[in-house]
Amino acid sequence: AQSVTQPDIHITVSEGASLELRCNYSYGATPYLFWYVQSPGQGLQLLLKYFSGDTLVQGIKGFEAEFKRSQSSFNLRKPSVHWSDAAEYFCAVGPEPTSYGKLTFGQGTILTVHP
Amino acid sequence: EAGVAQSPRYKIIEKRQSVAFWCNPISGHATLYWYQQILGQGPKLLIQFQNNGVVDDSQLPKDRFSAERLKGVDSTLKIQPAKLEDSAVYLCASSSTTGVNSPLHFGNGTRLTVT
Repeated sequence: AQSVTQPDIHITVSEGASLELRCNYSYGATPYLFWYVQSPGQGLQLLLKYFSGDTLVQGIKGFEAEFKRSQSSFNLRKPSVHWSDAAEYFCAVGPEPTSYGKLTFGQGTILTVHP
Repeated sequence: EAGVAQSPRYKIIEKRQSVAFWCNPISGHATLYWYQQILGQGPKLLIQFQNNGVVDDSQLPKDRFSAERLKGVDSTLKIQPAKLEDSAVYLCASSSTTGVNSPLHFGNGTRLTVT
């Protein structure tokens, strides 16, 4: 069965610092990978997705993620964090691109940004 | 375009009572999903509808949970009777299809507390 692990439950960074959120997945075939962000009291918003091709994908709000098959990882990065980036971030894996909703989510990483 | 609407935003009930949640997806979206998000965990898919038919309800606890999507538009999710472990945020999401270019749009969720 597919699974997603986000090793960091809570990360704190200073505004302007760089950010990397870790995601490791377990899946037997080619994974389809996603990062979502959830602000308090809000639903989830898609940041970026990887289906195939270039292993470095760009998303909204200045985020990017790199797929590394050898490490079964899909880490999310941002070069300079803004206070508005404080939220909870979820990595997710899907069995195929047509199963957009049938995703397995990690447990999430809460990001706190200090001024 | 208007987003996914959910109501109520909050609900507090006692165990063994029943509760219902309502979701109105984005107009024209054929696919509708209900997710359960327990505190500290990522969302878990409960049920997926395509128009008014169920595509996947493999993770729905059918002894107490039920969902319907009459006329292929809005949907209700019911729990009867509720248990303490049902305390969670219930998220509704919709997409135009299940294809690769049809991302999920999430509502803000209904937070259920069972006492």
